[in-house]
Amino acid sequence: SYELTQPPSVSVSPGQTASITCSGDKLGDKYACWYQQKPGQSPVLVIYQDSKRPSGIPERFSGSNSGNTATLTISGTQAMDEADYYCQAWDSRAGVVFGGGTKLTVL
Amino acid sequence: QVQLVQSGAEVKKPGSSVKVSCKASGGTFSSYTISWVRQAPGQGLEWMGRIIPILGIANYAQKFQGRVTITADKSTSTAYMELSSLRSEDTAVYYCARVPPVPLGELPGYYGMDVWGQGTTVTVSS
Repeated sequence: SYELTQPPSVSVSPGQTASITCSGDKLGDKYACWYQQKPGQSPVLVIYQDSKRPSGIPERFSGSNSGNTATLTISGTQAMDEADYYCQAWDSRAGVVFGGGTKLTVL
Repeated sequence: QVQLVQSGAEVKKPGSSVKVSCKASGGTFSSYTISWVRQAPGQGLEWMGRIIPILGIANYAQKFQGRVTITADKSTSTAYMELSSLRSEDTAVYYCARVPPVPLGELPGYYGMDVWGQGTTVTVSS
């Protein structure tokens, strides 16, 4: 089965840049998207098609995907960005696949 | 603005079944894909399956094959997820989520899940 691997946690200081990686076999050949989830809330799509932002998502959120790794980058991280982040891709055999999630701490 | 409104919390006995509904309001329904995703307490997101209401075709994650059934009623813009043979490990929040139709020739995964329901807590306990 297809797997996506994320670091369990990432820490960043306010105003700095946070990078969260997502690794999978030939992930760059697929489309990656990213979700933000705050405690007690439903996930929110923040990046789709590797690097596109849905309407209403701040410009500080950006994404890239190449080779075996997709990356979510948050520039000028704010306290409100503290959340769990999940990558997701579609695999022809497994269907929708989520990464295990990364807890972003802003301290 | 499309919203997905799910049915309320459920408490079920082991071995029983649960059926969760997801009603779309404020927009089109049939041409979108509706996925079901669950999240056990303190755990990550897990995809269960999806349906394209306009085609009536459902696909399931291998883990849930034979135990989950996803259906849709186009007349009421409602999708359903039924999970049978419940066990304690099925205790989770269950979400429905919408994916826009993929342009012809593009790969699945072209769009992400852009609208999510509020979640339905299912507790399995004797």
